[in-house]
Amino acid sequence: SQQGEEDPQALSIQEGENATMNCSYKTSINNLQWYRQNSGRGLVHLILIRSNEREKHSGRLRVTLDTSKKSSSLLITASRAADTASYFCATVGNTPLVFGKGTRLSVIA
Amino acid sequence: SQTIHQWPATLVQPVGSPLSLECTVEGTSNPNLYWYRQAAGRGLQLLFYSVGIGQISSEVPQNLSASRPQDRQFILSSKKLLLSDSGFYLCAWSPPRQGFDQPQHFGDGTRLSIL
Repeated sequence: SQQGEEDPQALSIQEGENATMNCSYKTSINNLQWYRQNSGRGLVHLILIRSNEREKHSGRLRVTLDTSKKSSSLLITASRAADTASYFCATVGNTPLVFGKGTRLSVIA
Repeated sequence: SQTIHQWPATLVQPVGSPLSLECTVEGTSNPNLYWYRQAAGRGLQLLFYSVGIGQISSEVPQNLSASRPQDRQFILSSKKLLLSDSGFYLCAWSPPRQGFDQPQHFGDGTRLSIL
């Protein structure tokens, strides 16, 4: 299975700190995507990184991809209370997105 | 702009009853459409996807079925619900391109409770 696995399962930080979440997967991919889910809501796409890219930025988000280690990381800088949510990585190969179980991020004001 | 609508938002059904959840997309043509289920505190499990009218691919064998009677309408159904069907059901769409590389856009989900 090419399912992504996020680490840690839960993360609690103070407002203003940086949050780092990791994702590992098992098979070759075309791209890897990160999504955010607020409690009880649908997922929102954050960022997509292609298999030939190593790093990508979007606002306070920084994503890295290491295809040799089959891993990715999502860094949220200068976190805010509004960043509190679950974050999922999803991999794309020859089949539709396969999601991991997510990291629950709590940002304490 | 494109929008996706799912209803109902919450649903409580007895075991053995039928189910019909509807999802519609506006502002795009021939989207790829997806149904997911999310158990409490878990990731998303892809149930069905469709790349065109009348075309359905099933990822997980179960007592659920899906249909796409119109280009931008995706329906999830069951003839007899089981307790294990409880969960949060999400519909999503992605742009109509070959392959599944594009980001997906999600509805707000239906929380289904089976009693």
